[in-house]
Amino acid sequence: SAVISQKPSRDICQRGTSLTIQCQVDSQVTMMFWYRQQPGQSLTLIATANQGSEATYESGFVIDKFPISRPNLTFSTLTVSNMSPEDSSIYLCSVEQGSANTGELFFGEGSRLTVL
Amino acid sequence: RKEVEQDPGPFNVPEGATVAFNCTYSNSASQSFFWYRQDCRKEPKLLMSVYSSGNEDGRFTAQLNRASQYISLLIRDSKLSDSATYLCVVNPISGYALNFGKGTSLLVTP
Repeated sequence: SAVISQKPSRDICQRGTSLTIQCQVDSQVTMMFWYRQQPGQSLTLIATANQGSEATYESGFVIDKFPISRPNLTFSTLTVSNMSPEDSSIYLCSVEQGSANTGELFFGEGSRLTVL
Repeated sequence: RKEVEQDPGPFNVPEGATVAFNCTYSNSASQSFFWYRQDCRKEPKLLMSVYSSGNEDGRFTAQLNRASQYISLLIRDSKLSDSATYLCVVNPISGYALNFGKGTSLLVTP
């Protein structure tokens, strides 16, 4: 099983600022996924990050707001830009376990963001 | 209509009880199905996949009814450590955008 480290684990930020969340995996993976879990809501996929190409964003999420880097096969960052209180959420990095596109995911411990 | 719907609970049951959670999904072409477990302030972890023929893992039994677009999870002989939120997850026909339910909260009491 993959070990995923995320940091920061939590942060409190002022509106209008940006925060970059880092995700490190202990093995090389093709796809890395960034999810958001807002209070009382289900997990929602923000984007899929492939190494060497631009991330693929889901409906409702745009690169200007959530720029993603994927410099190598074990690391990715998600930036939450120009934050507002509505961005307060848990952000989770995940990778697949087992065969591709099976839906079996490992998640990092999450980054709990509070925007004041 | 939401893609995946679950009864949010909470379900409060005594130790040793049997409890069942249900989940419905809207996309009839969905390919695969899962139950994840999420402890308070922790990340989700895969509990089990759900197969068409139904499958069992110890005290946990998962069932899928494609005709009714319905998934269930049965927990027998509940333990205190089973207290968590159980997420129903559906993999649609294409892409990686798994559809997560909001989760059903279970509290097992002594």
